[in-house]
Amino acid sequence: DAGVIQSPRHEVTEMGQEVTLRCKPISGHDYLFWYRQTMMRGLELLIYFNNNVPIDDSGMPEDRFSAKMPNASFSTLKIQPSEPRDSAVYFCASMGTGELFFGEGSRLTVL
Amino acid sequence: DQQVKQNSPSLSVQEGRISILNCDYTNSMFDYFLWYKKYPAEGPTFLISISSIKDKNEDGRFTVFLNKSAKHLSLHIVPSQPGDSAVYFCAASKRTGKLIFGQGTTLQVKP
Repeated sequence: DAGVIQSPRHEVTEMGQEVTLRCKPISGHDYLFWYRQTMMRGLELLIYFNNNVPIDDSGMPEDRFSAKMPNASFSTLKIQPSEPRDSAVYFCASMGTGELFFGEGSRLTVL
Repeated sequence: DQQVKQNSPSLSVQEGRISILNCDYTNSMFDYFLWYKKYPAEGPTFLISISSIKDKNEDGRFTVFLNKSAKHLSLHIVPSQPGDSAVYFCAASKRTGKLIFGQGTTLQVKP
């Protein structure tokens, strides 16, 4: 298995633009998580899904952030409009039983 | 509210010596704890875990200790090697699938 696949690996955009981050979890994993890495809070959980259903989105910073999982093999995290303070590395992770497997992350820079 | 805390942002040790990374948590409902290791430009990878029914789990050079009464866990690396230099994240879960991470500790092992 190729592991958790995220795209893009890097994105630079201007404030106000829409950003869409994508994730393909490991096949057969029932859970999918979106995390954001910041210096202050480390790996901050934004939202997670179980069997494509959002279970807990209490970590989503504000209404500018939204996430979807239309099927078991794909999820998106969208920021609209983006702001400079959204600049961070965003990780997707999936889990079957046991530990999380992370993607390599999407580094977002909002100018 | 940071439920999982790693109060030391960085740690430097000499090759061959012991590295001790610490983690505190506030939620007594957590019953599963994990350590993840992260190299630059890569996603975190699972290192070792411990269930709340144990107080120690060992895997090669890595040992995790859990003190439930103090709500504290630690990761010991003996002997430390330069390849161990990375960011280490502590994480906790209530077995609901939701992993809460700490801020991370950057370990540098000097040759």
